[in-house]
Amino acid sequence: YELTQPPSVSVSPGQTASITCSGDQLGDKFVSWYQQKPGQSPVLVIHEDRKRPSGIPERFSGSNSGNTATLTISGAQSLDEADYYCQAWDSSTAWDVVFGGGTTLTVL
Amino acid sequence: QVQLQESGPGLVKPSETLSLTCSVSGDSISAYYWTWIRQPPGGGLEWIGYIYGSGKTHYNPSLRSRVSISVDTSKNQVSLTLTSVTAADTALYFCAKERGSRGQLVIWFDPWGPGTRVTVSS
Repeated sequence: YELTQPPSVSVSPGQTASITCSGDQLGDKFVSWYQQKPGQSPVLVIHEDRKRPSGIPERFSGSNSGNTATLTISGAQSLDEADYYCQAWDSSTAWDVVFGGGTTLTVL
Repeated sequence: QVQLQESGPGLVKPSETLSLTCSVSGDSISAYYWTWIRQPPGGGLEWIGYIYGSGKTHYNPSLRSRVSISVDTSKNQVSLTLTSVTAADTALYFCAKERGSRGQLVIWFDPWGPGTRVTVSS
């Protein structure tokens, strides 16, 4: 099972950034999103498609339908510059956990 | 609050065995799933495998012949062993706590340790 993300997304400060994650019938699975800044370990920003862990700003939101999950950052800030990875669990195959290839978000 | 800390040798020679440890504090490892994930330099995340506190394991099919994950409940540690390493195993290795419910077909990882860097070179 594969998850496909665009390598890079650019957004102007204060605008909305959308990062997509595509996979076959992905809407039938739950998707999580992680933010990774340089030199740091990944941090969970969205789980179960749209739930934000405590401490994650409200400007982060998620959706998942059909073959595409989307992480949306409303009012993007410079501190949101990072790599973002989607993740799903495919219980039907031996691969179990799958990550997308990652998207580098640039805010400029 | 659970915290994870990976540790390991840093440098391993080709064909040798890599052994890493993840020390868990603030939680008992017995009742949860613990996962190893790696990231090659400049690359993305690759799931290696998991262990449940009881000892049940599941591995990435591409690594299954070389990988083993175990727990030491007395030390509250999770260990990763990878045999016959090559340069392709050079990566930052993370351990993470699995959240969610496999019974409800949803899992995610939080928190992650800071990672330990492993270089395979002679």
